[in-house]
Amino acid sequence: DAGITQSPRYKITETGRQVTLMCHQTWSHSYMFWYRQDLGHGLRLIYYSAAADITDKGEVPDGYVVSRSKTENFPLTLESATRSQTSVYFCASRPSQGLEAFFGQGTRLTVV
Amino acid sequence: DAKTTQPNSMESNEEEPVHLPCNHSTISGTDYIHWYRQLPSQGPEYVIHGLTSNVNNRMASLAIAEDRKSSTLILHRATLRDAAVYYCILHTGANSKLTFGKGITLSVRP
Repeated sequence: DAGITQSPRYKITETGRQVTLMCHQTWSHSYMFWYRQDLGHGLRLIYYSAAADITDKGEVPDGYVVSRSKTENFPLTLESATRSQTSVYFCASRPSQGLEAFFGQGTRLTVV
Repeated sequence: DAKTTQPNSMESNEEEPVHLPCNHSTISGTDYIHWYRQLPSQGPEYVIHGLTSNVNNRMASLAIAEDRKSSTLILHRATLRDAAVYYCILHTGANSKLTFGKGITLSVRP
């Protein structure tokens, strides 16, 4: 299917476990982003990538790791999940020459 | 990064026009004004953007002040489906990041 997809849509994990959230886009957009959304904070940028093998930190990168070996995929890994990382995570992509970003449906992550 | 200021919330009646304001007094000459909206339980979606001139598309209109220090998103006939959080964002083509504030929550009364 064309577009941007996130998986899983829902995830429950235990404190201290590693968990990876997947993001896949079919447009070959250069830019990809990861945001988290918490009540009272709105959307906060975690990491972003301008191209394959190029990533940079956003506002709240601590506790997260990203990679971008292929243009279409931008996985987000929580190396050792904490309760404070319970949130809804959104992935987005944008073409290099365009200004419109496209968002996935989100992953609701609960760390217990 | 230049910041935007929006009211926390606004109410409107169905089928009436809605004007959502945004202040961006520190906007730079290369900043585009973007609006996104987020429906309940969904990811944000693009609504409209502009630089200097007013813009219209099938979803909304964007009115930009002559000094560019403020703008207004106009929904011509609000529907219940337009109830969402609306974000006003400044973005330059050279800046790859989109930074969201808290947005304005629009409620639509039947």
